[in-house]
Amino acid sequence: AQKVTQAQTEISVVEKEDVTLDCVYETRDTTYYLFWYKQPPSGELVFLIRRNSFDEQNEISGRYSWNFQKSTSSFNFTITASQVVDSAVYFCALSVPDSGGGADGLTFGKGTHLIIQP
Amino acid sequence: ETGVTQTPRHLVMGMTNKKSLKCEQHLGHNAMYWYKQSAKKPLELMFVYNFKEQTENNSVPSRFSPECPNSSHLFLHLHTLQPEDSALYLCASSQATSGGHYSYEQYFGPGTRLTVT
Repeated sequence: AQKVTQAQTEISVVEKEDVTLDCVYETRDTTYYLFWYKQPPSGELVFLIRRNSFDEQNEISGRYSWNFQKSTSSFNFTITASQVVDSAVYFCALSVPDSGGGADGLTFGKGTHLIIQP
Repeated sequence: ETGVTQTPRHLVMGMTNKKSLKCEQHLGHNAMYWYKQSAKKPLELMFVYNFKEQTENNSVPSRFSPECPNSSHLFLHLHTLQPEDSALYLCASSQATSGGHYSYEQYFGPGTRLTVT
C-alpha cells in the first residue's frame, strides 16, 4: 500500500517570503511517480509537476522548485518570493503503475493550506 | 469546451433521491477517474476506468454506481445516499498506457459539491 504524508496542515507567511511544503511518501514499489497539485478556492485541482522514481534531479519552474530525495522518501516543494495568488491548498500525490499497464489512481496526502498575507 | 467539465456544480439531494453526476473530458484521454474529497479525509480514489473498462473500485458502497459509455464521458449515479456522503466529487482524466509502466498526470474537473439532506 502507498501512503503520502503532508505534516504541515497550514502555513501562513507574508508575501515575498520563501516557503517550503513538505511531502513524505511510502511505497514498496521501485517504480513510482510523484505529483504536486494546487487547489485554489475555486476547488479545481491544478497539476504542477510529475517526477518519476528514476529521476532525482531537482526541478525549477519560475518561482517554484522541487527537491526529490529518495534517501529520505521526500518530495518537497518550495515557492520563492511568495505572492498572494499562491494562496491555496497544495497536495502531494503518489501513483504506482498498474502491473497490467493502464490507468493508475493517485494516493493523496491531506494537503497543506498555504496562506500568503499581503 | 476545454479540459474536464463536470455538471452540475452543486447538488442538494435527499436520502431517497436518485441523481447522476456527469463528467466530460475534451483532452483525448483514455482513462477517467472519480475521487471524493470530504472535509475530514484526504482525497479518496473511488473508481478508475481505463479504455472504458472499470479497472478499480476502491471499496466504494453500492449506492455509488459509475458508468463510462465512452472514453470521453463518465457518470456517477447516486441513490439512497447518506449524509456522510456529502462531499466534493472530482472527476479526472489522463492518458493511460496499455502494458507500459508509466503514470501520466491527471487533469481534474471543477468538481460537484454534493449535499445530502
